[in-house]
Amino acid sequence: GAVVSQHPSRVICKSGTSVKIECRSLDFQATTMFWYRQFPKKSLMLMATSNEGSKATYEQGVEKDKFLINHASLTLSTLTVTSAHPEDSSFYICSARGTGPGQPQHFGDGTRLSIL
Amino acid sequence: KNQVEQSPQSLIILEGKNCTLQCNYTVSPFSNLRWYKQDTGRGPVSLTIMTFSENTKSNGRYTATLDADTKQSSLHITASQLSDSASYICVVSGGNEKLTFGTGTRLTIIP
Repeated sequence: GAVVSQHPSRVICKSGTSVKIECRSLDFQATTMFWYRQFPKKSLMLMATSNEGSKATYEQGVEKDKFLINHASLTLSTLTVTSAHPEDSSFYICSARGTGPGQPQHFGDGTRLSIL
Repeated sequence: KNQVEQSPQSLIILEGKNCTLQCNYTVSPFSNLRWYKQDTGRGPVSLTIMTFSENTKSNGRYTATLDADTKQSSLHITASQLSDSASYICVVSGGNEKLTFGTGTRLTIIP
């Protein structure tokens, strides 16, 4: 149980385009989803926390107009990297947490984004 | 400032050998500590979780320990296999359920 699906797993696109990444909880309802960024050989860095039906909370230094997050349902959150540039190239990972206190975060398999 | 430090940064051992990874944390208040395994290009997968009152937790060949007094944890891997090659991340959850990630230990098992 507790499977989180992330799509696409890899995307390569030209500079200036916008890229949407989906994060789905397949067998549980996730009131809270998290988006992380991971640089090579570094640990995960939290970008933002999204709660279903409300605006995302962004960490300090993360541009909310650059990284648009939508959490429209209890099983789906999306991250859109707008007008992507080479410096946005990274590994993006989402996680989802079920309802109730003390629920763990379950991670997706990540999306490798490469901007040419 | 909440921090999680792991050592060593990287480790190479022969297949079949045992190894121990270390984690020191300064997260307060403390809720729980998890060890994750992250294969290259994949998301983290939880191996063990321990709360304040637990000293040890096993999951197959993985055994985690926790000393809440010294704020240290270890992950012991027994009879290593090639598939154990991965990054192992120590993650501490604070009172607000916010996670603090360690920088990980890159483990390589060689035949």
